[in-house]
Amino acid sequence: DAGVIQSPRHEVTEMGQEVTLRCKPISGHDYLFWYRQTMMRGLELLIYFNNNVPIDDSGMPEDRFSAKMPNASFSTLKIQPSEPRDSAVYFCASSFSSGPKTGELFFGEGSRLTVL
Amino acid sequence: AQKITQTQPGMFVQEKEAVTLDCTYDTSDPSYGLFWYKQPSSGEMIFLIYQGSYDQQNATEGRYSLNFQKARKSANLVISASQLGDSAMYFCAMRGDDKIIFGKGTRLHILP
Repeated sequence: DAGVIQSPRHEVTEMGQEVTLRCKPISGHDYLFWYRQTMMRGLELLIYFNNNVPIDDSGMPEDRFSAKMPNASFSTLKIQPSEPRDSAVYFCASSFSSGPKTGELFFGEGSRLTVL
Repeated sequence: AQKITQTQPGMFVQEKEAVTLDCTYDTSDPSYGLFWYKQPSSGEMIFLIYQGSYDQQNATEGRYSLNFQKARKSANLVISASQLGDSAMYFCAMRGDDKIIFGKGTRLHILP
């Protein structure tokens, strides 16, 4: 079975440019999470969706960040305009709401963003 | 508000020794789940073990066990007979009210 698929794996861009990160969750999973990982702040929850609906976006740093989930198989995280402090690894993860290990997260491989 | 705390930024352990990684949590939700994930230097996140708040027994998965002390709100990970391949970053996580948050992690170094 295919796992969570993220693209691009690596992105290098210049300050001020728009960045779009993409995620395809595991089929049948009803939760999707976006995390940002940095050395200083660890793994921060940015936003999560349940059945394609954003539930909590309180972790989104500021208005430059936006996320969408137009259908059950696709989500995007957009940064516009990007800044050097946005440089991080962005993880997408999905989970199924029921089962013996309720909420086990399945992570993508991450998108490493570098903003120059 | 939910909170996860890992107080050990780094640990050095001799190969074959047992390791305990600390994790404390705080939540007002009576139903929650606790997880441990491993992140090797390659960057992927690997699920290790899960403990539900209503589980009566401590979870075990091979060499991993979770020392769950509900009254103390702690969920320490115990790795028995450590191996060189256990060198990695370890994250404690909690699911409460659907949200899943992570601690800042502990970097474990296994020495030959």
